[in-house]
Amino acid sequence: DTEVTQTPKHLVMGMTNKKSLKCEQHMGHRAMYWYKQKAKKPPELMFVYSYEKLSINESVPSRFSPECPNSSLLNLHLHALQPEDSALYLCASSPWGDRRGTSYEQYFGPGTRLTVT
Amino acid sequence: SQQGEEDPQALSIQEGENATMNCSYKTSINNLQWYRQNSGRGLVHLILIRSNEREKHSGRLRVTLDTSKKSSSLLITASRAADTASYFCAISYTGGFKTIFGAGTRLFVKA
Repeated sequence: DTEVTQTPKHLVMGMTNKKSLKCEQHMGHRAMYWYKQKAKKPPELMFVYSYEKLSINESVPSRFSPECPNSSLLNLHLHALQPEDSALYLCASSPWGDRRGTSYEQYFGPGTRLTVT
Repeated sequence: SQQGEEDPQALSIQEGENATMNCSYKTSINNLQWYRQNSGRGLVHLILIRSNEREKHSGRLRVTLDTSKKSSSLLITASRAADTASYFCAISYTGGFKTIFGAGTRLFVKA
């Protein structure tokens, strides 16, 4: 199974709502990523988990809260978002790199299209 | 910024023609990867080239890497309408645990 799944596909939420995005992979990958992508822009890294521990937080506002319950699952909890947070949120996984932290090819899910009203 | 720079930003060609897109970067890398994205959906990995490699092929794709010029090129030969997509280079820098994506090239192949 070489697929990364993400749910939901679309999400509309108000600024006072709490919601969660989910990501799952069964490739045995030990690195998982959250990216944010605005229209016609490249993906921007938000978080990296390696071996279920948070390795990188790219100074993401605390209204985004990642969680990695096990090696196959990655969640992104959303609370009190702003309209400018509307974007495509992509999850990816990859085999973990060597001790120097080399990253390798990433497998992406189809994304969650988030609209904050 | 460590973001790779890609050119051209957009490219429109006829089916059957070749398409070339370029990526430049700033410091030492472990590897450089190319991805394709259709219509704002998930990215698909195309090719990874390591810093000690100069050229790789995969089907109609050819990637070159010139570490002296800190640049890479992706060539798509005999393009098809289905190749219409955005193409991103992604750079794994030495000593880093992350991959930085370039700005992307939007390719349109006319049937």
